[in-house]
Amino acid sequence: SQQGEEDPQALSIQEGENATMNCSYKTSINNLQWYRQNSGRGLVHLILIRSNEREKHSGRLRVTLDTSKKSSSLLITASRAADTASYFCATPTSGTYKYIFGTGTRLKVLA
Amino acid sequence: GAGVSQSPSNKVTEKGKDVELRCDPISGHTALYWYRQSLGQGLEFLIYFQGNSAPDKSGLPSDRFSAERTGGSVSTLTIQRTQQEDSAVYLCASSFASGNTGELFFGEGSRLTVL
Repeated sequence: SQQGEEDPQALSIQEGENATMNCSYKTSINNLQWYRQNSGRGLVHLILIRSNEREKHSGRLRVTLDTSKKSSSLLITASRAADTASYFCATPTSGTYKYIFGTGTRLKVLA
Repeated sequence: GAGVSQSPSNKVTEKGKDVELRCDPISGHTALYWYRQSLGQGLEFLIYFQGNSAPDKSGLPSDRFSAERTGGSVSTLTIQRTQQEDSAVYLCASSFASGNTGELFFGEGSRLTVL
């Protein structure tokens, strides 16, 4: 069964706006990761947040984690056309390093 | 090479033929993963190797699918008697899988088309 689910499934915004994507998961985790995928090929790791962290920043990225609600959000500030991609959250199955990916959010940033 | 390498990049085959997809992980990574991604869809977990432990094969969709990892390094995913629904991009990833980390490094994938 799918561990993570992202919403929205698709998001279209203007360049310069902020983009927010959400991820919900089902079981206890020790970390949650966000990845980006361009053109349907390899994924690139963006950021990892541990279960004892509530917020983390990396450049224009801001990730939050609410373990009580089993949810995370990814905020991309001041979006650029180059941010157009699919974004996935990934969580490990409890007690393992087996990562299950969510369904993804397709972000389109219009120039 | 510095990254995860997958081959072939593209494979077109006829229904009923067997195919082998290869993954060379990053040297020293103990964990290796195979995922499948159909067009416009999310990543479907297939199989996970961790060190010398027995692999987690819980995601393999049928007994036509098998995978092995030789010497804790290179992995081969084999699909026997391919069907059209097997058409997808097959992604391999590896990681150190230690402590509270486990960042996955992905290859560029093998796109399989079954005619």
